[in-house]
Amino acid sequence: GQNIDQPTEMTATEGAIVQINCTYQTSGFYGLSWYQQHDGGAPTFLSYNALDGLEEKGRFSSFLSRSDSYGYLLLQELQMKDSASYFCAARRRALTFGSGTRLQVQP
Amino acid sequence: EAQVTQNPRYLITVTGKKLTVTCSQNMNHEYMSWYRQDPGLGLRQIYYSMNVEVTDKGDVPEGYKVSRKEKRNFPLILESPSPNQTSLYFCASSLSSQGTYEQYFGPGTRLTVT
Repeated sequence: GQNIDQPTEMTATEGAIVQINCTYQTSGFYGLSWYQQHDGGAPTFLSYNALDGLEEKGRFSSFLSRSDSYGYLLLQELQMKDSASYFCAARRRALTFGSGTRLQVQP
Repeated sequence: EAQVTQNPRYLITVTGKKLTVTCSQNMNHEYMSWYRQDPGLGLRQIYYSMNVEVTDKGDVPEGYKVSRKEKRNFPLILESPSPNQTSLYFCASSLSSQGTYEQYFGPGTRLTVT
């Protein structure tokens, strides 16, 4: 993705917690979105942070630090169905996606 | 049901044969966009439209055209497809240009150009 960095792959165990980090370049930055995409499916919106801090949505939380140009997606109580690719996307005039993190949840 | 639809879902074509991929949304969204997805490159924006008759280039517009004559439709046109346009294409929409952080994606169109 354009000036957006996130890990390529991560593996975690069912029931555990995983944190997917994302760094971005700040020019024209408004906020950070997160999307989930299962194999063969379309991306679906998970969360958005416009301000610093933590946004909690059930098992998923997202965090933003504008001063550090950094955010993360936190997935708790991992389930097998959470195996998917996760994209952070920087909202500027348009939405610029990172290359995605492929998360594999193992039993 | 609120949705974004794309047609066709799969297409195999030959170099140079003009094609159009249609996109339609029934949510009265102002903003629509086209992306291509290639392994290891994530989603890259091709074109977007803030409203009817308003379109703008994204990051990878070369070889593509779009039009936005009606609010609900945003077709992607490949005038002379080439093999490097083989990809998975997604159309997306959001309520407004202020709400682009939350986009609704169509099911995707897998295009192969031989």
